[in-house]
Amino acid sequence: NAGVMQNPRHLVRRRGQEARLRCSPMKGHSHVYWYRQLPEEGLKFMVYLQKENIIDESGMPKERFSAEFPKEGPSILRIQQVVRGDSAAYFCASSPSGLREAQYFGPGTRLTVL
Amino acid sequence: QQQVKQSPQSLIVQKGGISIINCAYENTAFDYFPWYQQFPGKGPALLIAIRPDVSEKKEGRFTISFNKSAKQFSLHIMDSQPGDSATYFCALGNAGNMLTFGGGTRLMVKP
Repeated sequence: NAGVMQNPRHLVRRRGQEARLRCSPMKGHSHVYWYRQLPEEGLKFMVYLQKENIIDESGMPKERFSAEFPKEGPSILRIQQVVRGDSAAYFCASSPSGLREAQYFGPGTRLTVL
Repeated sequence: QQQVKQSPQSLIVQKGGISIINCAYENTAFDYFPWYQQFPGKGPALLIAIRPDVSEKKEGRFTISFNKSAKQFSLHIMDSQPGDSATYFCALGNAGNMLTFGGGTRLMVKP
């Protein structure tokens, strides 16, 4: 049973470019969460999605960031016009039903903005 | 305002000793308290979790102690091993399903 998969594992972008991060949840999981981790810090919630719906995006910056979880395919976190401050590790987690239960994390995508 | 305060930031324990990490929170709306273990370059892995209807939960060498009235919970690692050296995060969960993480504790177990 494959765990949460994220790709790419490492992503380098220049300022102003777009970054697309993908997350495939565990089999049978329909709830996806995105978190950001700055170096030497804890994880910060960004957005919570179910298939085709954004449930909670209270932790996501209002500009340049967007997320989707289409009916088919992985969840995508998209960062437009990246800036150096976007450099971080971005983790995706999934859970079966989202009711105060365990969230299982992927290996993360480490974004570096030059 | 920090919703969860985790301490200590770093901890050095001798092999075979007990590692204790503490977390304190303010908002009583939280009702799910997991601990995650993270190795460098990896994603956090769920270690153990507790709900407020119990005061203690044990899984192998890992124990969560929960004090609802004091709004504190702690992770105890018994017989600590060098392979336990990692960063540990407490987290808080509620009906909104998002997790609020503590700042992390970097544990080093010396052989």
